[in-house]
Amino acid sequence: LAKTTQPISMDSYEGQEVNITCSHNNIATNDYITWYQQFPSQGPRFIIQGYKTKVTNEVASLFIPADRKSSTLSLPRVSLSDTAVYYCLVGDIGGGGNKLTFGTGTQLKVEL
Amino acid sequence: DVKVTQSSRYLVKRTGEKVFLECVQDMDHENMFWYRQDPGLGLRLIYFSYDVKMKEKGDIPEGYSVSREKKERFSLILESASTNQTSMYLCASSWGQGGQPQHFGDGTRLSIL
Repeated sequence: LAKTTQPISMDSYEGQEVNITCSHNNIATNDYITWYQQFPSQGPRFIIQGYKTKVTNEVASLFIPADRKSSTLSLPRVSLSDTAVYYCLVGDIGGGGNKLTFGTGTQLKVEL
Repeated sequence: DVKVTQSSRYLVKRTGEKVFLECVQDMDHENMFWYRQDPGLGLRLIYFSYDVKMKEKGDIPEGYSVSREKKERFSLILESASTNQTSMYLCASSWGQGGQPQHFGDGTRLSIL
């Protein structure tokens, strides 16, 4: 079962690029890497997902090195509204529910 | 847009009570999940269901059971509530296998007195 480690918190300023790294040393071959964003009093919301190399969508990029033992969520030009907790999730539900592991989350605070 | 609805936002129960948390999704997803979220511990998977009447234990199933009689509904049951089950409970759903993104409800904050 992949164990995930993330920084507890990060601070940034509006307009900067923010990179949040998740470590998952014992990721399995079939595991995907998914990132979620969570605001207070809401459930997590999907941001981006990848398996290897780089994935980009309209809100973020996800970088995954060849060994897949870590992943980095990149948020370009953050704004105050990006203040939230960010979670990485590693796993695959093909074989059973206990193959999903959330990180403990990174609290991102964006200031003016 | 996928909607996952949890029956209560806040719930207060007493020790020893049997507690039911209900979750409904409207996108015909095969998979449904129950997590609990505690400060400093992130989200931990309690149970998962990949089809009607099918269930798999997650990381922390002790003290909980689940029921999935219809595809759209997944219930979490605390057989005899205890104070250490005070937490935020989140339900999610997804389709297919692999790492398909999960869609979450907004949670039920459960307090056991």
